[in-house]
Amino acid sequence: GENVEQHPSTLSVQEGDSAVIKCTYSDSASNYFPWYKQELGKGPQLIIDIRSNVGEKKDQRIAVTLNKTAKHFSLHITETQPEDSAVYFCAALWANNLFFGTGTRLTVIP
Amino acid sequence: GAVVSQHPSRVICKSGTSVKIECRSLDFQATTMFWYRQFPKQSLMLMATSNEGSKATYEQGVEKDKFLINHASLTLSTLTVTSAHPEDSSFYICSVTEKRWVTDTQYFGPGTRLTVL
Repeated sequence: GENVEQHPSTLSVQEGDSAVIKCTYSDSASNYFPWYKQELGKGPQLIIDIRSNVGEKKDQRIAVTLNKTAKHFSLHITETQPEDSAVYFCAALWANNLFFGTGTRLTVIP
Repeated sequence: GAVVSQHPSRVICKSGTSVKIECRSLDFQATTMFWYRQFPKQSLMLMATSNEGSKATYEQGVEKDKFLINHASLTLSTLTVTSAHPEDSSFYICSVTEKRWVTDTQYFGPGTRLTVL
């Protein structure tokens, strides 16, 4: 199966700074990579996704980059705000199933 | 994105009882529904995948007789935890996907917190 690794496990940034979360995957057959934000006690919310036919995608303050050769993808959040504080999960789609990273707890300090 | 609801949001039950959790896709027909469980401070673990009108496919290590899944319609799937025990206490989350536009995007419900006493 697919193995997704995510780093760092925790990340603290000052409000207004950028945050970067990185993930690697093991199987080159994976072709879809979503990112989810999960607030305490709630279900994961899709915030951005990218398919293997593009290298970068941006949506306002959030961007995702994909390096297929190196098999890694990253989430970039700019101008962070306190409401960005949450746990973020990356995932890779392999054999019609999503394989999740272990999560990153992001804390934005006001 | 899709709107997914779960009911109940929280449930507390005694050991040995059965609990049913509903997952509804509110604004589109979900060809496939997934059930996950999540322990505190951990990632999501896929339990099973269900397609409308067919039997669910369970992941290795998940007891199909203990976690009964019914996907009777394109908008409703249910997970029944039978003879629940304290170790079944967890956060159960469903997700839905729709293949109409050949998309693999999964949209998650708000989750159900199960506590077994």
